[in-house]
Amino acid sequence: DTAVSQTPKYLVTQMGNDKSIKCEQNLGHDTMYWYKQDSKKFLKIMFSYNNKELIINETVPNRFSPKSPDKAHLNLHINSLELGDSAVYFCASSPRTSGGGETQYFGPGTRLLVL
Amino acid sequence: GQNIDQPTEMTATEGAIVQINCTYQTSGFNGLFWYQQHAGEAPTFLSYNVLDGLEEKGRFSSFLSRSKGYSYLLLKELQMKDSASYLCAVRDRAGTALIFGKGTTLSVSS
Repeated sequence: DTAVSQTPKYLVTQMGNDKSIKCEQNLGHDTMYWYKQDSKKFLKIMFSYNNKELIINETVPNRFSPKSPDKAHLNLHINSLELGDSAVYFCASSPRTSGGGETQYFGPGTRLLVL
Repeated sequence: GQNIDQPTEMTATEGAIVQINCTYQTSGFNGLFWYQQHAGEAPTFLSYNVLDGLEEKGRFSSFLSRSKGYSYLLLKELQMKDSASYLCAVRDRAGTALIFGKGTTLSVSS
């Protein structure tokens, strides 16, 4: 029944490691997103992706890379983790409609702690 | 640049009405959204405005004035469970990600 799911929910790792966070949506949506929410609760877009286009927020380090095996999945891979990467990462999805709206639905979040 | 402003914190009592304001300056405009986020949880969709005016949904209403770059979320008959962060977000172009404000933390007391 879960609309947008993410795994893992919690991730604790050492600096310098490489890790991946998985996201799946069963809503049949066309577009998926990754957001980062920092300790001050500020939610900021990292990537948006549909089958045709990847839009990258220019402030995102290239250590972060989205990977989409199919329309229902958008995974986030992070190389050489740094302390500042500690945050909550939210996946979201939205339909592509012509009538506006395109409400985004969020996954439960992955709490990443880099030690 | 893109900028969305909303108050950091607000307090209110059960049964009261509270209005959370949001002003925005973005390069384009393709809709304004309000989300609710309880501590430790994901943001959940509350409302969407793309035309000027008031949208009502039960105890929650949202207003938009595009000429003023202004929106508010009105919460009536406040309940303790309404204690949460309320996020104002704008989409500047169709099919793109949302630009979020920093959120307003609302505390409802009895």
